[in-house]
Amino acid sequence: DAKTTQPPSMDCAEGRAANLPCNHSTISGNEYVYWYRQIHSQGPQYIIHGLKNNETNEMASLIITEDRKSSTLILPHATLRDTAVYYCIVRVAQGAQKLVFGQGTRLTINP
Amino acid sequence: NAGVMQNPRHLVRRRGQEARLRCSPMKGHSHVYWYRQLPEEGLKFMVYLQKENIIDESGMPKERFSAEFPKEGPSILRIQQVVRGDSAAYFCASSPSTGSSGNTIYFGEGSWLTVV
Repeated sequence: DAKTTQPPSMDCAEGRAANLPCNHSTISGNEYVYWYRQIHSQGPQYIIHGLKNNETNEMASLIITEDRKSSTLILPHATLRDTAVYYCIVRVAQGAQKLVFGQGTRLTINP
Repeated sequence: NAGVMQNPRHLVRRRGQEARLRCSPMKGHSHVYWYRQLPEEGLKFMVYLQKENIIDESGMPKERFSAEFPKEGPSILRIQQVVRGDSAAYFCASSPSTGSSGNTIYFGEGSWLTVV
């Protein structure tokens, strides 16, 4: 699976949009971009995934660049409960391939 | 629709004892994954199983650790002769066998093992 690069930490004010970047310049054509987060002392939580089109669900939006070498996860109205470590992972979707976690981005939402 | 269920949530074992962690995947999921998270560290893949088969155990320590996913019942991660360094959070995850838009993996809330 391709490697990803994320900033180690970010801060965001409560109520503002949190934009978390991820670089995956070696992504292959059959690899999806997945985002998970882990709130302290909890299991990783699936947020969203996409292949090449932008995606939106009740939690977040995922913007993937046209060349697919980078993406941005957007939390439109961050709350204190969004404080967590966010992981961007690229993974082949066919079959059942494991997730390989990097260090992620520690997002802190400030009141 | 129940998620991935892990038990026990917290387990205390003395050095040298055995620890058994159980994981029931989400309904309809036939793939199970185990991850370990040491204190203040990242999530490390341990093993990936389908029913009655180990598919990838590249992250399993060579000794004392074993995993199974029988035809009936939950997946079990077994740690024999535990040592203090085994103290960690162990997360189980599951995914369906096939899927057209990505076989999303869902995680349980974890089992916290403390070795005293």
